[in-house]
Amino acid sequence: DIRMTQSPASLSASLGETVNIECLASEDIYSDLAWYQQKPGKSPQLLIYNANSLQNGVPSRFSGSGSGTQYSLKINSLQSEDVATYFCQQYNNYPLTFGSGTKLEIK
Amino acid sequence: QVQLKESGPGLVQPSQTLSLTCTVSGLSLTSNSVSWIRQPPGKGLEWMGVIWSNGGTDYNSAIKSRLSISRDTSKSQVFLKMNSLQTEDTAMYFCARWVYYSSYFDYWGQGVMVTVSS
Repeated sequence: DIRMTQSPASLSASLGETVNIECLASEDIYSDLAWYQQKPGKSPQLLIYNANSLQNGVPSRFSGSGSGTQYSLKINSLQSEDVATYFCQQYNNYPLTFGSGTKLEIK
Repeated sequence: QVQLKESGPGLVQPSQTLSLTCTVSGLSLTSNSVSWIRQPPGKGLEWMGVIWSNGGTDYNSAIKSRLSISRDTSKSQVFLKMNSLQTEDTAMYFCARWVYYSSYFDYWGQGVMVTVSS
């Protein structure tokens, strides 16, 4: 199975700041990577697919980048509604696997 | 619009079988694939399996021996059955639409919490 190592596990940042969340795959996943946002008590929502494509309706302050085994999610101008846990997911190989999550809080 | 909604028992006894239903609207199961994904309390997500638009299935090898996914297209329902439940199967169970020609998920149900306990 492809292991997805996500960092940091938790993050505290101020409103308006830029934050980065990293995801490291145990092998090359050829940009077959998605990012999800999960707010407390809710189901995950798709933010990014194919490593850098923004899902319809997602604010442009979210962006994804990376290739090979290293990927990142960037959130510009942090807003209060961005408080959530963020997960990466690889879909290059079965079984599909997720990162362990990054919990983002406002400082 | 596309909606998925999970239903099922909130409490299951150890060693028993879990049966869940995912009822979809706004999409056809004959042209869409649906997955089950679960999340233990406070933990990450685990992909369980998929039922393809043609009715075929694929499962996570870690739980394949205990899992069965089926559907009733006339009722727009997808079913999950998992046997020999243990306490570690306690989780929120989600169904989600598999994006066509890819393997990520663009619509998710609200989830159903299942507790395995005597």
